[in-house]
Amino acid sequence: GAGVSQSPRYKVTKRGQDVALRCDPISGHVSLYWYRQALGQGPEFLTYFNYEAQQDKSGLPNDRFSAERPEGSISTLTIQRTEQRDSAMYRCASSFRSSGAPYNEQFFGPGTRLTVL
Amino acid sequence: DQQVKQNSPSLSVQEGRISILNCDYTNSMFDYFLWYKKYPAEGPTFLISISSIKDKNEDGRFTVFLNKSAKHLSLHIVPSQPGDSAVYFCAASDSGNTGKLIFGQGTTLQVKP
Repeated sequence: GAGVSQSPRYKVTKRGQDVALRCDPISGHVSLYWYRQALGQGPEFLTYFNYEAQQDKSGLPNDRFSAERPEGSISTLTIQRTEQRDSAMYRCASSFRSSGAPYNEQFFGPGTRLTVL
Repeated sequence: DQQVKQNSPSLSVQEGRISILNCDYTNSMFDYFLWYKKYPAEGPTFLISISSIKDKNEDGRFTVFLNKSAKHLSLHIVPSQPGDSAVYFCAASDSGNTGKLIFGQGTTLQVKP
């Protein structure tokens, strides 16, 4: 069965450009999470969707970062006016869990390596 | 403020011996804990989890122990195999919240043949 997929796998962009990172979760998974991972660190939470509703965006660093999941499936993380400090691995994870349900593990995609020059 | 800490960046063990990876947390609201394993160029893969109502969970060669009073958990791998060589991340969640995971920094395990 297909796991979580992310595209592109690698993205190199110039400072000031906008980028859009895509996540395709496991079919039927209700919850979708975005994380950012710096080298030598664990993933750090960015935002969370339950179906199409963005229920927690407390981890987004600033207003240049936004995410959407309009139909409750594929999600896009957009970074506007990129800066060098945005360079990192961006990971998406999905889970069968919905709000209020017993916890289920999250399944991670391979990530998008973003490099801002 | 690092809520989940893995204080050992690396660990090296001989094949067949026990590997013990440690993790400490500070937030008493955490009630679900997970271990993920990560190979190079891949995303983290779920390994084993434990709810705060338990103090031990076992799955084959992998056992996770939880000591709530000490806010400490550990992952035991026995016997260790060369294929276990990877980065291991400890993660914690407050399931009453969104279910977001708070990760430690990771421990790189090397199992020598």
